[in-house]
Amino acid sequence: QVQLVQSGAEVKNPGSSVKVSCKTSGGTFNIYAINWVRQAPGQGLEWMGGIIPMYGTSSYAQQFQGRVTITADESTTTAYMELSSLRSEDTAIYYCAREGKYCSGSSCPCGYWGQGTPVTVSS
Amino acid sequence: EIVLTQSPGTLSLSPGERATLSCRTSQRIFSSYLAWYQQKPGQAPRLLIYGTSTRAAGIPDRFSGSGSGTDFTLTISSLEPEDFAVYYCQKYGDSPPKTFGQGTKVELK
Repeated sequence: QVQLVQSGAEVKNPGSSVKVSCKTSGGTFNIYAINWVRQAPGQGLEWMGGIIPMYGTSSYAQQFQGRVTITADESTTTAYMELSSLRSEDTAIYYCAREGKYCSGSSCPCGYWGQGTPVTVSS
Repeated sequence: EIVLTQSPGTLSLSPGERATLSCRTSQRIFSSYLAWYQQKPGQAPRLLIYGTSTRAAGIPDRFSGSGSGTDFTLTISSLEPEDFAVYYCQKYGDSPPKTFGQGTKVELK
C-alpha cells in the first residue's frame, strides 16, 4: 500500500523560501514520478513540476521556472519541493502526487496523493 | 503548451440526474494520457478515470469517460449524494507540463 505523508503547515514572510517534504512508503520509490501540485484558496489544481527519483532530473511548469526546485532522496524515499521568493499569491495547499499505477508505458496518472501542506505567505 | 478547458464551470443538478462534463484540449492528445479526478472540500484529489475511459479501482460504474483527439467527456449516469464535488481533467504523459483543467463544480440544485 503506497502512502505519502507530507510535512506540516508553514507560515512564511514574503521574499523567503519554503521547503515541503513528501515521505513515501510502499511500492517502488525510484522509478515513478513524483509530482507537485498546488491549490490556491478557492482555486483549481496547478501542476508545478515533477521528478523521477532514479534519474534525478526534474521538469517544471514554465510559470515556476527559476523559483521552484524539486528533489528526491532515494535513501529516505522522500521528495522535496522548495519554492523561493515567496509572495502572497503563493499562499496555497501544496500536494505531492505519485505516479506508478495504471501506467501506459512510462506514463501514469497521479494515483497516490499526499494529504497536502498549507503554506501561508504573509508579513 | 497544451491548455485544457473544462465546461461548464458549475453544473447544478439533483440526485438521480445525469451529469455530463466536458474537457477540451488546445491540441490533440493521446487518449491514453487523459485522466479525471474528483475533489471534495478539505480532501486531496482522487483519481477516477485514466486513459480517457478506464475507471480506477473502486470507482462505481456510474462514472464513465469517453472522447478522443481534443474532446473528452466525463459522465455520471445517475448522481448520488456523494458525487457532488469538483472534477478536474488532466493531461499526463511523457511531455510536461501535466496540465489540469480549471475544474467543474457539480452542485446540488
